[in-house]
Amino acid sequence: EVQLVESGGGLVHPGGSLRLSCAASGFTFSTYAMSWVRQAPGKGLDWVSAIKGSGVSTYYAASVKGRFTISRDNSNNTLFLQMDSLRAEDTAVYYCAKGQAGAPSFGYWGQGTLVTVSS
Amino acid sequence: QSALTQPASVSGSPGQSITISCTGTSSDVGGYKYVSWYQQHPGKAPKLIIYDVSNRPSGVSNRFSGSKSGNTASLTISGLQAEDEADYYCSSYTSSIWVFGGGTKLTVL
Repeated sequence: EVQLVESGGGLVHPGGSLRLSCAASGFTFSTYAMSWVRQAPGKGLDWVSAIKGSGVSTYYAASVKGRFTISRDNSNNTLFLQMDSLRAEDTAVYYCAKGQAGAPSFGYWGQGTLVTVSS
Repeated sequence: QSALTQPASVSGSPGQSITISCTGTSSDVGGYKYVSWYQQHPGKAPKLIIYDVSNRPSGVSNRFSGSKSGNTASLTISGLQAEDEADYYCSSYTSSIWVFGGGTKLTVL
């Protein structure tokens, strides 16, 4: 059974940093692209970043490019999101999502971790 | 990349069919087959219900179907059930970027 468990969320001041983790199990982690998708309170889904299975290729939404860094540790089946220079508008639940084989969609999602950026 | 356009809300009675539209441009929805749909119940994570315009993942009811015409994709839910009441999001993939629609709240009357 595929499981994705996010951690690392919390309250941070504007300009601060936070590192999110996503522990994956139930599938061969290194063979799947992974993404982070966020959802601000009461709002819709917003794609943040993606990384291919090898970790060599990474992709970012324009709103986070240069501030967020996605990475993965395939030996420990873990996905990361390093978030720097955080802004109030980054406040959201951050979901880790597993890509599908042969299709650019998100087949499984974690339960999410809440990041609140506030002074 | 601008968000895709969905109606804010739709409603239907049990047993009826409803359709949710998702409008983009020729650079996203209209140009590729990579449209997917997600169902999200309150307080829960999204769930994939349609990918590549019209394909259903294993385990998803065949009451859910997807299609596309030009720059507009559509999700149809037939035989509405109370448990279908949720938020629905479309998404399009192009050039290593994903964009979502604003979401549609489905109310089962």
